[in-house]
Amino acid sequence: AQSVSQHNHHVILSEAASLELGCNYSYGGTVNLFWYVQYPGQHLQLLLKYFSGDPLVKGIKGFEAEFIKSKFSFNLRKPSVQWSDTAEYFCAVRSLSGGSYIPTFGRGTSLIVHP
Amino acid sequence: DTGVSQDPRHKITKRGQNVTFRCDPISEHNRLYWYRQTLGQGPEFLTYFQNEAQLEKSRLLSDRFSAERPKGSFSTLEIQRTEQGDSAMYLCASSILENEQYFGPGTRLTVT
Repeated sequence: AQSVSQHNHHVILSEAASLELGCNYSYGGTVNLFWYVQYPGQHLQLLLKYFSGDPLVKGIKGFEAEFIKSKFSFNLRKPSVQWSDTAEYFCAVRSLSGGSYIPTFGRGTSLIVHP
Repeated sequence: DTGVSQDPRHKITKRGQNVTFRCDPISEHNRLYWYRQTLGQGPEFLTYFQNEAQLEKSRLLSDRFSAERPKGSFSTLEIQRTEQGDSAMYLCASSILENEQYFGPGTRLTVT
């Protein structure tokens, strides 16, 4: 079965620390990749996406992610986090093989940033 | 606000009752998706529509669940004979074809 793994379920950082959240998937073939963020009390919103081209993708609020096809990974990074980055982060992967274009979401990583 | 809206935001119901949720997508979006999210998990796909046609249903969608999008605009998700295991956040999202999905705020269902 297709799956998406986010190995870090809870991450606690101090402001200005660097962030890397892992995302691995089990699909073969061509994929689309997404990171969504859910701030406290708000709905899910797209941080960044990869469809094709440069595997280093830049998103909003200083986030970036790198698609490494050989490792089936799409890790999210930010060089210096802020208190306002406290949120739940979800990786999602959509396989373009097999006819269904519905993304599968990971279980999420809860990030707490201390001021 | 031109985002995805959902109504109600919260619903408490007794086991065995029927509930219906509504989703209004972004107006020009032709696809509409329903997901369920429980605590500590990511959204799980339930079903999606392209215009008024229901194109895919997850195995999670038991026969107690039914969804409609009669005019290709808003959608409703009905759960019949609710069970405590149905307690979750029900999320709606919309998109233009396979482009990225925009999510609504969700409807939190509590079955007592």
